[in-house]
Amino acid sequence: DQQVKQNSPSLSVQEGRISILNCDYTNSMFDYFLWYKKYPAEGPTFLISISSIKDKNEDGRFTVFLNKSAKHLSLHIVPSQPGDSAVYFCAASAQGNQFYFGTGTSLTVIP
Amino acid sequence: EPEVTQTPSHQVTQMGQEVILRCVPISNHLYFYWYRQILGQKVEFLVSFYNNEISEKSEIFDDQFSVERPDGSNFTLKIRSTKLEDSAMYFCASSPLRLPYYNEQFFGPGTRLTVL
Repeated sequence: DQQVKQNSPSLSVQEGRISILNCDYTNSMFDYFLWYKKYPAEGPTFLISISSIKDKNEDGRFTVFLNKSAKHLSLHIVPSQPGDSAVYFCAASAQGNQFYFGTGTSLTVIP
Repeated sequence: EPEVTQTPSHQVTQMGQEVILRCVPISNHLYFYWYRQILGQKVEFLVSFYNNEISEKSEIFDDQFSVERPDGSNFTLKIRSTKLEDSAMYFCASSPLRLPYYNEQFFGPGTRLTVL
């Protein structure tokens, strides 16, 4: 029962280019979405969020896009930097209840 | 900068033994969470805790699991009789308000539990 899916386990991008990480969900009741970043041997850290009333949220180099009709969200990182290399998780919640995480995408930014 | 801490960083135990994983949430936070991540799989919600009681739990959080805030600073997860499939990284998290009304949920570094 995987309500949140990240179908790309890994992604490699050249420094300075755009990184696009994708996430799909199945539960139409989800109304809040977050992206977390995780370095090895550390816990996840919050990156950016979006509620279902919006279709875009931007914070510096990070932008999250939400397409509710497709049940799809994406995280864009522009420009990508080597320090962005980490595992990125998307997570979703319905009305403040438990968060469901995806399996993560490992991003490698090549200098 | 305040942070969530967890001890131990790695716990090895025999199947059937009890383990207690410890967390110290950020001091002014009110909501506390446990998650686990089995190697190579997704992060899974276990339980949330507020005002000294469980506010939500997942189907994973069965009678073998319990949580406690024994002294106002620690937040513990107890597994009564460990099974091989309990081997995972366990993350504690805290937030000042209930998600999603506050963005950030601060995670600890995790405790790797290995059940032999």
